[in-house]
Amino acid sequence: AAGVIQSPRHLIKEKRETATLKCYPIPRHDTVYWYQQGPGQDPQFLISFYEKMQSDKGSIPDRFSAQQFSDYHSELNMSSLELGDSALYFCASSSRQGENGYTFGSGTRLTVV
Amino acid sequence: AQSVAQPEDQVNVAEGNPLTVKCTYSVSGNPYLFWYVQYPNRGLQFLLKYITGDNLVKGSYGFEAEFNKSQTSFHLKKPSALVSDSALYFCAVRDESSGGYNKLIFGAGTRLAVHP
Repeated sequence: AAGVIQSPRHLIKEKRETATLKCYPIPRHDTVYWYQQGPGQDPQFLISFYEKMQSDKGSIPDRFSAQQFSDYHSELNMSSLELGDSALYFCASSSRQGENGYTFGSGTRLTVV
Repeated sequence: AQSVAQPEDQVNVAEGNPLTVKCTYSVSGNPYLFWYVQYPNRGLQFLLKYITGDNLVKGSYGFEAEFNKSQTSFHLKKPSALVSDSALYFCAVRDESSGGYNKLIFGAGTRLAVHP
């Protein structure tokens, strides 16, 4: 079965650079969620989209933005990267408001040097 | 506010023994509860969920969880632990406060170490 696809798997950027992370949800899933997991931390919710509209916002820095496109894939854009942005970034998708569960991608490991 | 708590940072168990990873929740209304497992440098893998119905939920890899409304708990259990079960386990609850587009809220995670 198709899963949530995230790209790239690994990304190394320098401070103050920009990064774009991509997420392709499971077909027919209408909601995408982005999470950030720092070393030894639990996943922290950043932002979500339902039917291409932002539906909820968490602890996402103003330097970050995201959107969901017409094909339901989502991109997380991160600018003016800081060392503290180094983390594992997960995307998850769901349908029916999560009643059928949430499927997570394998994540993008971002390292800022 | 919706939340889950995992009171143990780490659980150690011998292979073949039963294991329990604890989770308690705080929600308004009926909870939607989940367990995920994370292996090193890997994504979150779904184990099981409780939406409604039987309090004992069976999931992947022989895991099960018992929903206890009076104790607001959703402990993860397995009758006989395997070394390969060693991983980080997250309990999560669906946030009912976000207007219907319900993100998951995670606990801090519990590291399970199964010793041969």
